[in-house]
Amino acid sequence: EPEVTQTPSHQVTQMGQEVILRCVPISNHLYFYWYRQILGQKVEFLVSFYNNEISEKSEIFDDQFSVERPDGSNFTLKIRSTKLEDSAMYFCASSTGGAPGNTIYFGEGSWLTVV
Amino acid sequence: AQSVTQLDSQVPVFEEAPVELRCNYSSSVSVYLFWYVQYPNQGLQLLLKYLSGSTLVKGINGFEAEFNKSQTSFHLRKPSVHISDTAEYFCAAVQGGSEKLVFGKGTKLTVNP
Repeated sequence: EPEVTQTPSHQVTQMGQEVILRCVPISNHLYFYWYRQILGQKVEFLVSFYNNEISEKSEIFDDQFSVERPDGSNFTLKIRSTKLEDSAMYFCASSTGGAPGNTIYFGEGSWLTVV
Repeated sequence: AQSVTQLDSQVPVFEEAPVELRCNYSSSVSVYLFWYVQYPNQGLQLLLKYLSGSTLVKGINGFEAEFNKSQTSFHLRKPSVHISDTAEYFCAAVQGGSEKLVFGKGTKLTVNP
């Protein structure tokens, strides 16, 4: 069964460093998402991406964050200058069409630890 | 504020017992409701969803959920659980007029022999 794959599975970074989290969505999907879950808290929406542009973003997704689809297969989340509070599990997701009728498929997540 | 509430953070249960995981949603989210499961070291997997129609929704692995509009609830049930059902379960809703899913805090189901 096709799946969303994410790399790295775990990354430790120094505060202030740039981090890029990578995702390969399911190949025929058109909508892409990033969510995150801080330990002990809810899974939170960060951003949705369709037709090569951001379609929606949350308040969390400030200027420190950016997303890119550099080629036909990858979808990346960049955090420009990491803060301690960016430590979280980051989930990439994709779907064939928009919400709510289309199932959103999630990857296994990338654990980011900022020290 | 939009919200999805899962009242139980942890639910221990014995194998072959029935289980109900509770989920309530606020009126500010849409009534497009989902249950996701996360097995250890895996991603979020869709168990079932309610978009419209019959209020009883059947999902994978023998799970079902009932949409109750008057009680703003979408509780997940399974009549007889297995050890392999041990996982974290997340209730979610699509926020009205939006692409995004709003999640509850999750319920850790532990099935004991």
